[in-house]
Amino acid sequence: KQEVTQIPAALSVPEGENLVLNCSFTDSAIYNLQWFRQDPGKGLTSLLLIQSSQREQTSGRLNASLDKSSGRSTLYIAASQPGDSATYLCAVRGPGTGTASKLTFGTGTRLQVTL
Amino acid sequence: GAGVSQSPSNKVTEKGKDVELRCDPISGHTALYWYRQRLGQGLEFLIYFQGNSAPDKSGLPSDRFSAERTGESVSTLTIQRTQQEDSAVYLCASSLGQFYNEQFFGPGTRLTVL
Repeated sequence: KQEVTQIPAALSVPEGENLVLNCSFTDSAIYNLQWFRQDPGKGLTSLLLIQSSQREQTSGRLNASLDKSSGRSTLYIAASQPGDSATYLCAVRGPGTGTASKLTFGTGTRLQVTL
Repeated sequence: GAGVSQSPSNKVTEKGKDVELRCDPISGHTALYWYRQRLGQGLEFLIYFQGNSAPDKSGLPSDRFSAERTGESVSTLTIQRTQQEDSAVYLCASSLGQFYNEQFFGPGTRLTVL
């Protein structure tokens, strides 16, 4: 059974700092990995999708890397802003065929960026 | 609309009543998923639709939960004889297809069972 862990559970940084969020998963036979942000009372916003054959993806100030063989991904946020404050979720798709289409989520990292 | 929509946004019901939650996926997305997020816990997969069929129902917690999809579009999640432990945010997502495609989520329905 796939299990996803995110460290740290919570993080507070001053505005302007660069930061790294970590995600690990137990079964490396995944199709892809997706990073989301969740704002209080809101749904999930997809940030980045990394296919299993890729090493990293970038979008603006965000960079996500994937080391499939070791079961790890990191989300790097450059020059953090107060608007980045949210819960960040990592989710993996796979392994398997019958259940391959579902995402397995980590419990998230709650980020607060202070002025 | 451009995104996944869900209704109602909030639902308060009494224990033992039935509830129906609705999801409108992004137009053209053949895959549709239901997840739930209980307070302080991670998201749990409930059911997956490809077209109008559900090849994976493994996450439905009990036979009180059922879902259907029609016209390869709208989906309804029904919870019969609601219990307090059913209180959660129910999230719907859609994607273009299986395996390799990005999932896009709706805003969720917050269900409170009194």
